[in-house]
Amino acid sequence: AQKITQTQPGMFVQEKEAVTLDCTYDTSDQSYGLFWYKQPSSGEMIFLIYQGSYDEQNATEGRYSLNFQKARKSANLVISASQLGDSAMYFCAMREGWYFGNEKLTFGTGTRLTIIP
Amino acid sequence: DAGVIQSPRHEVTEMGQEVTLRCKPISGHNSLFWYRQTMMRGLELLIYFNNNVPIDDSGMPEDRFSAKMPNASFSTLKIQPSEPRDSAVYFCASSFRDTVAKNIQYFGAGTRLSVL
Repeated sequence: AQKITQTQPGMFVQEKEAVTLDCTYDTSDQSYGLFWYKQPSSGEMIFLIYQGSYDEQNATEGRYSLNFQKARKSANLVISASQLGDSAMYFCAMREGWYFGNEKLTFGTGTRLTIIP
Repeated sequence: DAGVIQSPRHEVTEMGQEVTLRCKPISGHNSLFWYRQTMMRGLELLIYFNNNVPIDDSGMPEDRFSAKMPNASFSTLKIQPSEPRDSAVYFCASSFRDTVAKNIQYFGAGTRLSVL
């Protein structure tokens, strides 16, 4: 079974609209972390936002927020007021377990977001 | 602040040649990761180090791949001999591992390897 599932291979969104990128995860650990990264066409991986499994509040970082629904095992990224520079691949990732020797991130397949002017 | 620095950014080589990829982590970080990104397999962890010691190398494809971290500020990933199927983007990432669970990994710009 896939650990991280991103069901939207591509999305087109009008500039200034909000966009939600879906991510569901599968783990039996109670302690885990969820991450979103952005990969623009230049290729680098840019960290956007983090949510811990025990965090009661949804994480927010500027225009980015994470809609964390633990019971549904989903961690959707919401980008408010989209900009042309938001066009990129977006990856959801998970780190299972918070013990030494387990820092591995497992990535989803990504969603390619294109912002239309 | 300097981020994770990888070199070279692009590498083109012929099958059978040795390839060495280099990484300088963010100063003060104590964990270093090597990932590979391909269209077929996506992003996958190859190996990671904590305090210069390899912790998990279960993702290293085969004996042709080796990684070292001789000190806290430098790591190499070596492929010998290289094969066309090794063509991919190789990322190095680093993080500061403490008792907090977050441990955000910061990535370098990647090395795009093409093996002809």
